[in-house]
Amino acid sequence: QVQLVQSGAEVKKPGASVKVSCKASGYTFTSYGISWVRQAPGQGLEWMGWISAYNGNTNYAQKLQGRVTMTTDTSTSTAYMELRSLRSDDTAVYYCARDRSGSGSRPLFDYWGQGTLVTVSS
Amino acid sequence: DIQMTQSPSSVSASVGDRVTITCRASQGISSWLAWYQQKPGKAPKLLIYAASSLQSGVPSRFSGSGSGTDFTLTISSLQPEDFATYYCQQANSFPVTFGGGTKVEIK
Repeated sequence: QVQLVQSGAEVKKPGASVKVSCKASGYTFTSYGISWVRQAPGQGLEWMGWISAYNGNTNYAQKLQGRVTMTTDTSTSTAYMELRSLRSDDTAVYYCARDRSGSGSRPLFDYWGQGTLVTVSS
Repeated sequence: DIQMTQSPSSVSASVGDRVTITCRASQGISSWLAWYQQKPGKAPKLLIYAASSLQSGVPSRFSGSGSGTDFTLTISSLQPEDFATYYCQQANSFPVTFGGGTKVEIK
């Protein structure tokens, strides 16, 4: 069965960086893309960006450009999301999600990780 | 960016009620719309894709309709496990955008 298992909760100080992992299993990793979506406490869903596990192509949300980097390691079927220069408003649960469309042409998320809480506090 | 507007933001309903949630896109997205259900402390779950196609394993009391800019999610007979927050998402193009969510609460 398809599973996305994320790394554990993190507490970071403002200005630091965080790197969240998402290990996939149960499907051919390179046949699909991965998106990252975050959710601040009590708020809605915010898409952060997408990466092709096939060729590493990325598409980032404009507001995060320059602070976020998404990568994949095909040898371990793992996707990573690094966010730099953390601020208090980056406090959120971060989810990885499999893009069913594969190519990113019609991004649609059929499997999700369990979420990783990142808390930014001094 | 395509803006997605959901209404209402919350609805109170009883078990057995029919519930309808609407989602409007700021520009035409054909049928490239998905609906998700999220329960507290859990990841979202895909319910409907391509505006009206039911994801495998999702009960048939959920249905979706619409095209262009106006879409609807209907729960035909609300069950206790359906109390949750629902989000629409446009799948037409990057950047992906979600509606603000509709919380379905117990009346």
